[in-house]
Amino acid sequence: DAGVTQSPTHLIKTRGQHVTLRCSPISGHKSVSWYQQVLGQGPQFIFQYYEKEERGRGNFPDRFSARQFPNYSSELNVNALLLGDSALYLCASSSLTGWGYTQYFGPGTRLTVL
Amino acid sequence: DAKTTQPPSMDCAEGRAANLPCNHSTISGNEYVYWYRQIHSQGPQYIIHGLKNNETNEMASLIITEDRKSSTLILPHATLRDTAVYYCIVMDSNYQLIWGAGTKLIIKP
Repeated sequence: DAGVTQSPTHLIKTRGQHVTLRCSPISGHKSVSWYQQVLGQGPQFIFQYYEKEERGRGNFPDRFSARQFPNYSSELNVNALLLGDSALYLCASSSLTGWGYTQYFGPGTRLTVL
Repeated sequence: DAKTTQPPSMDCAEGRAANLPCNHSTISGNEYVYWYRQIHSQGPQYIIHGLKNNETNEMASLIITEDRKSSTLILPHATLRDTAVYYCIVMDSNYQLIWGAGTKLIIKP
């Protein structure tokens, strides 16, 4: 079975630009979460979506937005890119949301902002 | 803020059991302990999770103390491919994984 897939794998943008990252969850999974991982640190939670509704949001500015589509895939959008947005962006999916449900991660998208 | 504390690094000889400790003294009754590992900036890999009882799967064993304030991940026969950063995580009340800095485990031949 296919795991979580993310596209693109690498991306280079310049300051002020906009970026869209994409995620396809494991088949049958209805929840998608997004994380940002800066080099040398653990992942930081950005968003969680379940059944196309936002269920949680981390401490990120409004420049970050996301949505989930009827097929449960998801997009993360970042506007007005800053140098500090350079990071590995991770998507994780789970069958349901709640304690005890496991999130499975994709390989990530490496974003470099110049 | 992360609810767990882990040693920043550990070494283990190849073929021996690797025991990775984690403190989660503020854990509440419904919160599970999860372990993931990350190899060289790949996506984190799920290892195991538990609530109260000890758990075992094909990758590892998880030992949780009776008061649930700490746990130990055991890799029974470590190989060089087990070199990675290991994260111990408590899912918060919003069902989010709050990550700390993890333990860098180095398996030595």
